This record gives sequence, structure tokens and C-alpha cells, in this order.
Amino acid sequence: AQSVTQLGSHVSVSEGALVLLRCNYSSSVPPYLFWYVQYPNQGLQLLLKYTTGATLVKGINGFEAEFKKSETSFHLTKPSAHMSDAAEYFCAVAPMDSSYKLIFGSGTRLLVRP
Amino acid sequence: NAGVTQTPKFQVLKTGQSMTLQCAQDMNHNSMYWYRQDPGMGLRLIYYSASEGTTDKGEVPNGYNVSRLNKREFSLRLESAAPSQTSVYFCASSWEAINYGYTFGSGTRLTVV
Repeated sequence: AQSVTQLGSHVSVSEGALVLLRCNYSSSVPPYLFWYVQYPNQGLQLLLKYTTGATLVKGINGFEAEFKKSETSFHLTKPSAHMSDAAEYFCAVAPMDSSYKLIFGSGTRLLVRP
Repeated sequence: NAGVTQTPKFQVLKTGQSMTLQCAQDMNHNSMYWYRQDPGMGLRLIYYSASEGTTDKGEVPNGYNVSRLNKREFSLRLESAAPSQTSVYFCASSWEAINYGYTFGSGTRLTVV
């Protein structure tokens, strides 16, 4: 069965520092991979996705993620954190068996210190 | 474009009461989903509808029923609410090809007392 693990339920960084949010998946076949962001009292918004092709994908708000098949990872990064990045971030996988369903990780809350 | 619209945004129920959460999308998506979000547990799939006329159970379907009324609308019903169903409920929709990802509604915060 597919699963997603996000390391660290909370990550705290200083404004201007590197943001690194970790995501590992378990799958015998590389799945589609997604990162979503949830701001307080809002729904989830797609940040970026990996389906096929280039393994480094760029998303909105300066975020990017790299698909590493050998490490079964899809970590999210941003070179310089901004106060407005404070939110909860979810990694998700979609099995490539056309089941339509996304499987979400438990989420990582990013705190940005001034 | 409204995207995915959920109603109501907030609701308080007494144990044993019933209610229906409404969801509508205007993007002509084929697939629709209901998730619940609980602290530390991410989002868990309750039910989904891959296409109009079909519905299937997800990870946590007990205590819920769904209706895919037409291509636009997908409702979630709690027949007899329990405190364990206190949660934030999200509706989402997608094209049949999952590689586009989901579009989410803004959620319904439900409290069962």
C-alpha cells in the first residue's frame, strides 16, 4: 500500500533562512507527487507537482521540490523564508494505477521567526 | 470562477442529529472527493466519486453516506452524528487524470457535542 511520511510535525526557521520540509513515500512504482499548502482557516492550495520528466520542479511562491527515486523522497525547499510562508504543508502521492485518489502525509507546520 | 464551494462553513450538532454537507464545483471535473482533517493525521479520504453515477468508500467511511447528485454536486451525509466526527471536512474535485491534482473547497468545521 502507498504511504507518505513527513518528518517533523513542526519546523521553525528564521526569516531569510532556508526552508526544508521532508517527504518520503513508499511505492514500488514511482507515483505522482504533490505538495499542498494550507493557510489558516483555508482549504489546500497546490504548490507544485511531479508527474513525469524533469525531477526538479518549481512551484508558486519560490518553492521547489526534487524527486529522488533512489531515496523515495520529494523534499520541499525554498532558499529564503518569508513571514507569509507560515502555514501547514502537506505532501501527497497518487498511485499510478488510475485510482484517482491522493494519499496525504500528516502535514508539517512551518513557523517563521522574525 | 468559484471553483469548489462548500456549505455550511461552520456547524454545531448534538450527538444523534443528522446533517448534510454540500459541495459543488464549476470546473466540469469528473471526480469528486470528501476528506476529513484531524490534527496530526493529515487528510483522510471518506468517500469519492470517480465519475457521475459512481461512488466508492475511502479510508474512513463508517458513519457517512454520500450522493453524487449530478456532475457538479457531491454531498456528504451524517445520519447520526457522534463526537468522533468532530473535524474539518474538505471537498475536492479533479479531472479524471489525477496528474492535475485536486482543487479544494474552503472546508466545513463541524463540532458534535
